[in-house]
Amino acid sequence: DAGITQSPRHKVTETGTPVTLRCHQTENHRYMYWYRQDPGHGLRLIHYSYGVKDTDKGEVSDGYSVSRSKTEDFLLTLESATSSQTSVYFCAISGGQGYEQYFGPGTRLTVT
Amino acid sequence: DQQVKQNSPSLSVQEGRISILNCDYTNSMFDYFLWYKKYPAEGPTFLISISSIKDKNEDGRFTVFLNKSAKHLSLHIVPSQPGDSAVYFCAASAVGGTASKLTFGTGTRLQVTL
Repeated sequence: DAGITQSPRHKVTETGTPVTLRCHQTENHRYMYWYRQDPGHGLRLIHYSYGVKDTDKGEVSDGYSVSRSKTEDFLLTLESATSSQTSVYFCAISGGQGYEQYFGPGTRLTVT
Repeated sequence: DQQVKQNSPSLSVQEGRISILNCDYTNSMFDYFLWYKKYPAEGPTFLISISSIKDKNEDGRFTVFLNKSAKHLSLHIVPSQPGDSAVYFCAASAVGGTASKLTFGTGTRLQVTL
């Protein structure tokens, strides 16, 4: 299994509070991704990174920001959580374009 | 607009028989296709992929077929086993740009019965 961990694994937070999710990899892969999974939508890309300090938006980036200050860590921040951001969040890594992505175990976030 | 579609939300197959999961796509720029398997409370696990230059790729019990003219791919599992019961996601990407961004279908829940 690819060395990917996500923290926390579960979080309950209140509307309007900031939340940061962390993805950590030990594979030294260049590319990292954040997805969210919701019923009826499959997985949707939020943001991705193609190197340290190089990030870009995905399909559903509104309300989210990311940072990557070192190869192994990719942070996803919800500046002011809303109930619509209740979801399961997955981090993924890949070694390059045209390569498969490997996913972390997920973080279940509930915004009340 | 759903660019990758899995029109069957669920499928039930007897152990030992063939499971066929289908996926359709609309974006002609997609050139790399993947299947993932997902158990509850776990992350998706990569199963098999295929490049648009091929029409078939096989790995053990899993075979993926690609029909570019129909914009259709399928995953065959032979023989199906109870441990194959999971949700299967089809995904597609267009190589190029800054990263291979995957577009996922909504998944098909496969149940393999004894």
